[in-house]
Amino acid sequence: QKEVEQNSGPLSVPEGAIASLNCTYSDRVSQSFFWYRQYSGKSPELIMSIYSNGDKEDGRFTAQLNKASQYVSLLIRDSQPSDSATYLCAVNSNRDDKIIFGKGTRLHILP
Amino acid sequence: EPEVTQTPSHQVTQMGQEVILRCVPISNHLYFYWYRQILGQKVEFLVSFYNNEISEKSEIFDDQFSVERPDGSNFTLKIRSTKLEDSAMYFCASNGLAGGPNIQYFGAGTRLSVL
Repeated sequence: QKEVEQNSGPLSVPEGAIASLNCTYSDRVSQSFFWYRQYSGKSPELIMSIYSNGDKEDGRFTAQLNKASQYVSLLIRDSQPSDSATYLCAVNSNRDDKIIFGKGTRLHILP
Repeated sequence: EPEVTQTPSHQVTQMGQEVILRCVPISNHLYFYWYRQILGQKVEFLVSFYNNEISEKSEIFDDQFSVERPDGSNFTLKIRSTKLEDSAMYFCASNGLAGGPNIQYFGAGTRLSVL
């Protein structure tokens, strides 16, 4: 059974600080890794994808992947109140395969 | 920016009734998916669809469920006889061009309430 594990939170971070979100996955052959943001009652919105080991930066977001440790993380710099949401870690194994989601981490940015 | 469109946004039905949830994937996308999210739980895969046939389905996707692409634009999920436990948000997603990365774009969802 392929699993994606995340701490459910809530994770509270002061405005302007760095929020660090973590995720582990069980399927060693996973190839694609995603972070989705989900506001309450809304659909998942893709914010980052990463496919190879190392860091990938996009604006205030940095995704980090370590395939040997089966670990993915997301850093959010200069956190804003609008970043308050649930962040879903997701993985898939093949190009046309389903995405397997974690339960998500609730992030709360304190003004 | 192209988007996945789902209708209706909210569907209320009586237990035992049939419902059809509709999706218009992003134009030129080749792979289509349905996921569901029961309130407070994680997003779960239901089914994937490619080249006019189901490519994979989960154990949730039993005989009560079916999918169809009746024309070149719509992608539907039918639940034949709804149960209370089918109440959830249902998300349609589509995935882009051949040879590209598997980036799935989600529609806004249909909230299904079974009474």
